[in-house]
Amino acid sequence: ELKVEQNPLFLSMQEGKNYTIYCNYSTTSDRLYWYRQDPGKSLESLFVLLSNGAVKQEGRLMASLDTKARLSTLHITAAVHDLSATYFCAVDFMDSNYQLIWGAGTKLIIKP
Amino acid sequence: DADVTQTPRNRITKTGKRIMLECSQTKGHDRMYWYRQDPGLGLRLIYYSFDVKDINKGEISDGYSVSRQAQAKFSLSLESAIPNQTALYFCATSDQRTGRSYNEQFFGPGTRLTVL
Repeated sequence: ELKVEQNPLFLSMQEGKNYTIYCNYSTTSDRLYWYRQDPGKSLESLFVLLSNGAVKQEGRLMASLDTKARLSTLHITAAVHDLSATYFCAVDFMDSNYQLIWGAGTKLIIKP
Repeated sequence: DADVTQTPRNRITKTGKRIMLECSQTKGHDRMYWYRQDPGLGLRLIYYSFDVKDINKGEISDGYSVSRQAQAKFSLSLESAIPNQTALYFCATSDQRTGRSYNEQFFGPGTRLTVL
């Protein structure tokens, strides 16, 4: 079964702290995507990771991919309130005919 | 700006009514998708289309139908709406025209549908 699991599903943190969101997936893939969704809004593409060891950074967010461990991480450095959102990872597997399989999302609340 | 648009943005309807949600894109992408989002369940794929003549069922196609009228237009129909189809519906596009090996998708603003 093609599965993508995120944890935690909910995270409340203080501004200035660091934290990591984890995305595990069930079988071989080297294509992983991170998206952001603000409440009631659409999904915005953040990062596309296409190989083992890939690392992408944008501001206080850094994403990485370990295909051997079937794991991606989204690291938040010195969190600020504006990063409050729900973050989704998605994977496209060789067996999924280019369909994306989505994690359930991590709702991140950053308190001032 | 190249974009993905959805109409209507909000719709309230009654059980048994036929509803059509429309999606248009100016990105020139070949692939289009319909998803529904329910709280705590992430995104689930309803239908997807690789081009005008290639339409495929997704994970939860029962109770839905689609039409790809042109490369830029992809509509979703609920033939007889029921309350558990109340959800947020998203259209998305991706570009595989150049044989790109990855599937970054770009989303419309969503349609909030309530079935009473």
